[in-house]
Parts: sequence; structure tokens; C-alpha cells
Amino acid sequence: KAGVTQTPRYLIKTRGQQVTLSCSPISGHRSVSWYQQTPGQGLQFLFEYFSETQRNKGNFPGRFSGRQFSNSRSEMNVSTLELGDSALYLCASSLAQGPVNSPLHFGNGTRLTVT
Amino acid sequence: GIQVEQSPPDLILQEGANSTLRCNFSDSVNNLQWFHQNPWGQLINLFYIPSGTKQNGRLSATTVATERYSLLYISSSQTTDSGVYFCAALPRDDKIIFGKGTRLHILP
Repeated sequence: KAGVTQTPRYLIKTRGQQVTLSCSPISGHRSVSWYQQTPGQGLQFLFEYFSETQRNKGNFPGRFSGRQFSNSRSEMNVSTLELGDSALYLCASSLAQGPVNSPLHFGNGTRLTVT
Repeated sequence: GIQVEQSPPDLILQEGANSTLRCNFSDSVNNLQWFHQNPWGQLINLFYIPSGTKQNGRLSATTVATERYSLLYISSSQTTDSGVYFCAALPRDDKIIFGKGTRLHILP
């Protein structure tokens, strides 16, 4: 079985631009969640989608948004990029709704640099 | 909100040594997971362990939910065990909280 696939692996953007990251879950997994990892704040939960609906959201501004498609693939969008948005963005999939119910499986991440 | 603390923050060991990593959480949790992040950034799920003890090869984990801690044991360490180990707690609101990690360096 293929693992969680995230594209692109690396991105360089300028302040004020917007960016879209993509995540394809493990086949059969219906839950996709997103995380931001920075040296200062560590790993932080962004949001979780299950069956095309956002089920949970972390404490991030509205510039961070996402969606999930009928095939469970998910996209994450960050608008009006700030320097502090530079981070490794990780996507995880799980079989059941919510990481409380089944193990998380992570992709390799997208490293975003904002200049 | 819930606090998740991991100790020690850093650990340097010789190949073949054993180690114990600890994860304390400040409130009741519905579940707990352990992950290993390798030097290339890949996060691998090690254990999904709300309570009790589980073993997988040289690794084992124990969660004592009533006392709000979990332990990860690594025996006969290998250089490939190097990386950062994270625990993640699942509180009632299901907003997963990660600890800051234990950075493990195994010397050959």
C-alpha cells in the first residue's frame, strides 16, 4: 500500500502570496489532518477533515484553510503569507475519524520558506 | 489546555545501550501515541497506546492513564534509532497535543 503522499516537497514563496499544499492519504483512509512544525513552537495541530467535512480545528488564524475531496485527498491553503509561516507542514491520514480512534500515518511533509 | 511534557530533552547513548523516555500529561486523555521523526523529517507511528503495555521488537511502551504518564523503552539501541521521539496526547476535545520531543543520538 502506498503511504501518505504530500506535494510539493519544497516551496519558496514571498510575503503576501498564497500557497496550496496537497495531501493524498493511504488508500481506504478517510481522515486527513494537517500539522505545522517549527523549531520554536514544535508540532501544532491545524485541522482535521473526515468525509469532506472539517471535524476539528486548532488555534490558527483564518488565513489557514483546507478542504477535503470525495476521494479523501486534501488541500491546505495559506493566504497572505507571513515570514512566520515558514515551517514544515505535515499531513497525516487515519482509518477512523479523529486521531483518538486510530493511529496517525504521516507523509514526508512540505517545507515552506517565506521570504 | 492540556500540557504534555517529555523528558529528557536530549539523550546521547552508545550503540547497544537501553533507554527510557517519559511523557507526562496534565489532564485525562482519551489516547496517546508515540512517534519517531528520523533525520529526514519523516514521522513514523510507533505505538497507539491509550493504556497498558505494548511491544514491537526492541521497542515497548507503557501508558498509565490514571497517573498521567507514558514511557517508551528502547533496548539494544542502534544508530538507526537516532532522531526525535514525540508523544502526542488526545484530550477530550480531540485536538491532539504533541510534546516537544526527546532528541536521541546513538553513537556507533
